[in-house]
Amino acid sequence: EAGVVQSPRYKIIEKKQPVAFWCNPISGHNTLYWYRQNLGQGPELLIRYENEEAVDDSQLPKDRFSAERLKGVDSTLKIQPAELGDSAVYLCASSLGWLQETQYFGPGTRLLVL
Amino acid sequence: RKEVEQDPGPFNVPEGATVAFNCTYSNSASQSFFWYRQDCRKEPKLLMSVYSSGNEDGRFTAQLNRASQYISLLIRDSKLSDSATYLCVVKRDTGRRALTFGSGTRLQVQP
Repeated sequence: EAGVVQSPRYKIIEKKQPVAFWCNPISGHNTLYWYRQNLGQGPELLIRYENEEAVDDSQLPKDRFSAERLKGVDSTLKIQPAELGDSAVYLCASSLGWLQETQYFGPGTRLLVL
Repeated sequence: RKEVEQDPGPFNVPEGATVAFNCTYSNSASQSFFWYRQDCRKEPKLLMSVYSSGNEDGRFTAQLNRASQYISLLIRDSKLSDSATYLCVVKRDTGRRALTFGSGTRLQVQP
């Protein structure tokens, strides 16, 4: 069975440019998570979806970040415009449901903003 | 104060040693607890859940102390392959900001 797929794996952009990350969760997983992980830190949850509904976006910087999961399957996270401090690894994870214990993570997208 | 705190380490131990990590959490409403493992430049993977009565999986033992609000992970007979960062995760079943990862404790097992 395929795991969580993310693309691109690496992205280098200049500040003020837009960038988008894509995630395809494990088939049948209703809950999808986007995390940001800075060097030497643990993942920080940005947004959690239950199917197509964003049930927790309390830590998403809404002035420049947006996300969507229109059909309750794959998801896109966008930053516009990017800032130097956005350089990080953006991880997507999925689980069968919120109360299911195991989250399965994708390989992440490494973003470098110059 | 961070909601979940871990000693960043690194813990440098010889093969065969026993090593323990602690993680403290500040929200007493937290309901579920986990340890994840993250290898260098890889994604986190679930190592084990932490149950109130404590639980064991091979060489790994996890314990929860709700009164003192900490969880622990004990690794016995350390292997070189145990070298990784161990992330503590705390979760509430409802509400916002309900899932928090610690910053991780780095373990280096040396031959």
